[in-house]
Amino acid sequence: DTAVSQTPKYLVTQMGNDKSIKCEQNLGHDTMYWYKQDSKKFLKIMFSYNNKELIINETVPNRFSPKSPDKAHLNLHINSLELGDSAVYFCASSQDRGRPDEQFFGPGTRLTVL
Amino acid sequence: GQNIDQPTEMTATEGAIVQINCTYQTSGFNGLFWYQQHAGEAPTFLSYNVLDGLEEKGRFSSFLSRSKGYSYLLLKELQMKDSASYLCAVIDSNYQLIWGAGTKLIIKP
Repeated sequence: DTAVSQTPKYLVTQMGNDKSIKCEQNLGHDTMYWYKQDSKKFLKIMFSYNNKELIINETVPNRFSPKSPDKAHLNLHINSLELGDSAVYFCASSQDRGRPDEQFFGPGTRLTVL
Repeated sequence: GQNIDQPTEMTATEGAIVQINCTYQTSGFNGLFWYQQHAGEAPTFLSYNVLDGLEEKGRFSSFLSRSKGYSYLLLKELQMKDSASYLCAVIDSNYQLIWGAGTKLIIKP
């Protein structure tokens, strides 16, 4: 069984479009995350979210918005896509034990903006 | 600011031992993770250190010195499948995970 799944795996789209990436975890975790990994392979946190709070990395443009219909899902919606948004986006989840815990990553979504 | 430094790339020989260093300067410290990431795949958890000392797990060991802001990942009996990027990540005082840029490890026969 897949622990953290993302769809789609590949997404190619035109500049200016709006797109969404879906993420689901079946681990019963409390916290979910979105990361962006660019061509230099640097992993940058975009959001972390649990049922208590949403923490946004202040450097993330407000064109990016996380949407969580329930505890097992955290989708990423992107408005007005730009060339610089091309990257691999990883969803991850972890248990909220009141202390740091390992994160389980989804397989990634490779976004290409033309 | 917060900073994590790792070598960009290292090369080692199959069967040998390699040590990947990570130094950090963060606002507070609540633990350090090592993750492995193969090309085109997601990162996977290797180790977590919060106390000083060496944690051994099979062929992989991780060391932490909080006073020096320093950790290393030690890989023994290297195999070709160990070719990957190794990411160091530190949890700061706000329980935010700060990631290093990763070290690309190339294993040669």
